[in-house]
Amino acid sequence: GAGVSQSPSNKVTEKGKDVELRCDPISGHTALYWYRQSLGQGLEFLIYFQGNSAPDKSGLPSDRFSAERTGGSVSTLTIQRTQQEDSAVYLCASSLRRTPQETQYFGPGTRLLVL
Amino acid sequence: QKEVEQNSGPLSVPEGAIASLNCTYSDRGSQSFFWYRQYSGKSPELIMFIYSNGDKEDGRFTAQLNKASQYVSLLIRDSQPSDSATYLCAVNIDNAGNMLTFGGGTRLMVKP
Repeated sequence: GAGVSQSPSNKVTEKGKDVELRCDPISGHTALYWYRQSLGQGLEFLIYFQGNSAPDKSGLPSDRFSAERTGGSVSTLTIQRTQQEDSAVYLCASSLRRTPQETQYFGPGTRLLVL
Repeated sequence: QKEVEQNSGPLSVPEGAIASLNCTYSDRGSQSFFWYRQYSGKSPELIMFIYSNGDKEDGRFTAQLNKASQYVSLLIRDSQPSDSATYLCAVNIDNAGNMLTFGGGTRLMVKP
């Protein structure tokens, strides 16, 4: 595809349920990032993947959050036992390489609402 | 102290004026600096990046970097109502990679 795609675009769930968010990066991009943006706030880094290297999970807020990237392409962010404070827009970005000069391109985001 | 700081605004300027957006960062080792524009309900899109001290111009946009003072700014000349958005400053804090730390964003309103 032409850009980063994410699904679903919107997700409403009940507190305590698990959710899975999907990201398809730009073809050929080896680096993939997940961010969270709460209402009116800046972007909070969650996790990134670079090729086959172990992911940097330093931004994950709790052990309820996990992510995987299969085959170096599609990534899934899983939130277990969701809480109301997990409500936010979850943004995925990809870049060609993991270097400081590489631009990150963002997907449209998944808007998660935990009731 | 946050690693990347921006005034949340809103910054209101009349159409045709110059809008000046500022960002300060705490890590002196930071090497790469990005400005993203985010329209309400949309995802961020890259406006400009800058790596070297001084000015970098692209159309109506100019990024200014002063590493000694640890600030980066974005000037928008001839501001248009369509420039109304939140502008996010992002800094590459981890110089071994491409992890970006974002500021909270400045909301710009350009009034006709």
